[in-house]
Amino acid sequence: SQTIHQWPATLVQPVGSPLSLECTVEGTSNPNLYWYRQAAGRGLQLLFYSVGIGQISSEVPQNLSASRPQDRQFILSSKKLLLSDSGFYLCAWSVAGIGLNSPLHFGNGTRLTVT
Amino acid sequence: QKEVEQDPGPLSVPEGAIVSLNCTYSNSAFQYFMWYRQYSRKGPELLMYTYSSGNKEDGRFTAQVDKSSKYISLFIRDSQPSDSATYLCAKRASGGYNKLIFGAGTRLAVHP
Repeated sequence: SQTIHQWPATLVQPVGSPLSLECTVEGTSNPNLYWYRQAAGRGLQLLFYSVGIGQISSEVPQNLSASRPQDRQFILSSKKLLLSDSGFYLCAWSVAGIGLNSPLHFGNGTRLTVT
Repeated sequence: QKEVEQDPGPLSVPEGAIVSLNCTYSNSAFQYFMWYRQYSRKGPELLMYTYSSGNKEDGRFTAQVDKSSKYISLFIRDSQPSDSATYLCAKRASGGYNKLIFGAGTRLAVHP
């Protein structure tokens, strides 16, 4: 069966510090991968998605970037965090395929607090 | 207007009640819908997905889609305290790659 891992679970970082959140998927090959952010009391906002190694699409201009160095690894980064980057960051995967209506499966998220 | 609208609640019901959770959507393209359950400090968990008008059942859960009204619902029968969570509706977004647009979520509390 497929599993998705995210770490760390909780992170407190000062403004201006760098960020690296990692997500890995097991039990599937060539998945689509996604980073979402969830602000308190709000829905999930898609930040980035990837359909293959090195292929990253950004949905929202922001202070963050994403990379996919391996097939089942997805990394969210920032060079300098802002207060507004605080939130709950969720990684997800789905079966690949442009036309497929495949559901997304989420990890348990990283709660980031920028102080 | 947001593409997917959901009443944030909170909704409080007694154990055993029938719960109705609702969302509306504005874009008729890519009418593929999902319901997720999210416990506090956890990632969303897929409950059901559907693309057909009408009802789809899975145990105590029923997903209903009314495409003429652009209205989707999730019904929970015989609600349990373990159903207390935030419920998120989602619709496939345009542009492919299985991207989803989410409602804000409805917080549900089922009390014994």
